[in-house]
Amino acid sequence: ETGVTQSPTHLIKTRGQQVTLRCSSQSGHNTVSWYQQALGQGPQFIFQYYREEENGRGNFPPRFSGLQFPNYSSELNVNALELDDSALYLCASSPDPGIRNEQFFGPGTRLTVL
Amino acid sequence: QKEVEQNSGPLSVPEGAIASLNCTYSDRGSQSFFWYRQYSGKSPELIMFIYSNGDKEDGRFTAQLNKASQYVSLLIRDSQPSDSATYLCAVNNRGTGNQFYFGTGTSLTVIP
Repeated sequence: ETGVTQSPTHLIKTRGQQVTLRCSSQSGHNTVSWYQQALGQGPQFIFQYYREEENGRGNFPPRFSGLQFPNYSSELNVNALELDDSALYLCASSPDPGIRNEQFFGPGTRLTVL
Repeated sequence: QKEVEQNSGPLSVPEGAIASLNCTYSDRGSQSFFWYRQYSGKSPELIMFIYSNGDKEDGRFTAQLNKASQYVSLLIRDSQPSDSATYLCAVNNRGTGNQFYFGTGTSLTVIP
């Protein structure tokens, strides 16, 4: 166990809806990253937050947005859900965004869009 | 060209043998390199990280990095059936907007 928690575990939404996923980082970690992992693929980097500011973003449209709170927990929001958004969403925390930026993953949220 | 390339496998080795997993990356500015293990239905688990050229050993695992060749590998000695999983290679470049890239993973099966 990494100490990173995510909620909910599973979620079913319909196309066009909005969803919010939550992540609590490991104690002592101030950096949170979000990933999307489709079946049979490696995780794809969505964005990273460091001390409540976005600190890097992958190739995802603006309808994917995020927040980090003062306690370093984080939210991922996805608007206007599409069928292709169905995936495992992973949150990872790290001690800092510097060179020692090894990331520890939570259990993930499985999102199904119908 | 993908940012991180791995042989998808499957790679099969007998119990007790050495498993060798390879990864190449395209961004020459990458600074940090990671190996994760992912069991089916679970999230990735960090095994090794390496920042400098050369070898880094941790128990049965050895990571090797060659930045000139843009190549990183993972050796698993004395492979056990519990090592059967998908192994993901990941790289990070903090300079160009702080990007993280994962490969699609190599499936390893250790045969008892």
